[in-house]
Amino acid sequence: QVQLVESGGGLVKPGGSLRLSCAASGFTFSDYYMSWIRQAPGKGLEWVSYISSSGSTIYYADSVKGRFTISRDNAKNSLYLQMNSLRAEDTAVYYCARVTDFWSDYWGQGTLVTVSS
Amino acid sequence: DIVMTQTPLSSPVTLGQPASISCRSSQSLVHSDGNTYLSWLQQRPGQPPRLLIYKISNRFSGVPDRFSGSGAGTDFTLKISRVEAEDVGVYYCMQATQFPWTFGQGTKVEIK
Repeated sequence: QVQLVESGGGLVKPGGSLRLSCAASGFTFSDYYMSWIRQAPGKGLEWVSYISSSGSTIYYADSVKGRFTISRDNAKNSLYLQMNSLRAEDTAVYYCARVTDFWSDYWGQGTLVTVSS
Repeated sequence: DIVMTQTPLSSPVTLGQPASISCRSSQSLVHSDGNTYLSWLQQRPGQPPRLLIYKISNRFSGVPDRFSGSGAGTDFTLKISRVEAEDVGVYYCMQATQFPWTFGQGTKVEIK
């Protein structure tokens, strides 16, 4: 069955960096687009970034553009999100999601990122 | 950016009764390929979101048939024909027709 497991979250100071990972299994990872979506505590969902199956096409939300970098390693069935210059407003649970055409059909359990001094 | 507006934001429902959630987009969600990429997601308490409906009205694998989606253009609806206790949670509409993908604010469904 499809499984997505995020890791790498934690407490980081403002201005710091963190790298999130998403390990995929149960499907042919290299065939699918992937996405990161986040949810601030008690708030709604916010799309963060998207990457095509080959990694050649990437999009970002304006709120993270220039600070976050999405990437993937198809040989390792893994998706990544490098987060730099972190701000308090980046505090959220970060979900990775598999994308089929233009819908996010499977989601991981999420990893919590807390940005605080 | 396309703004997604859901109503109501809270929906107390009696078990066994229907529920309906509306989602309106600030511009048409018809993609240049002719499809409309409007999805509905359910988030139960303490759980990650789960896909219910994609492309307006297609139920995802394993989703009970009491869930249905309809609409076109800028106006969409999610209906639950008979609410069950396990349906408690927050429901989001999401558009993926245009980047950035955007979500509605969420509608909390709770039992009266």
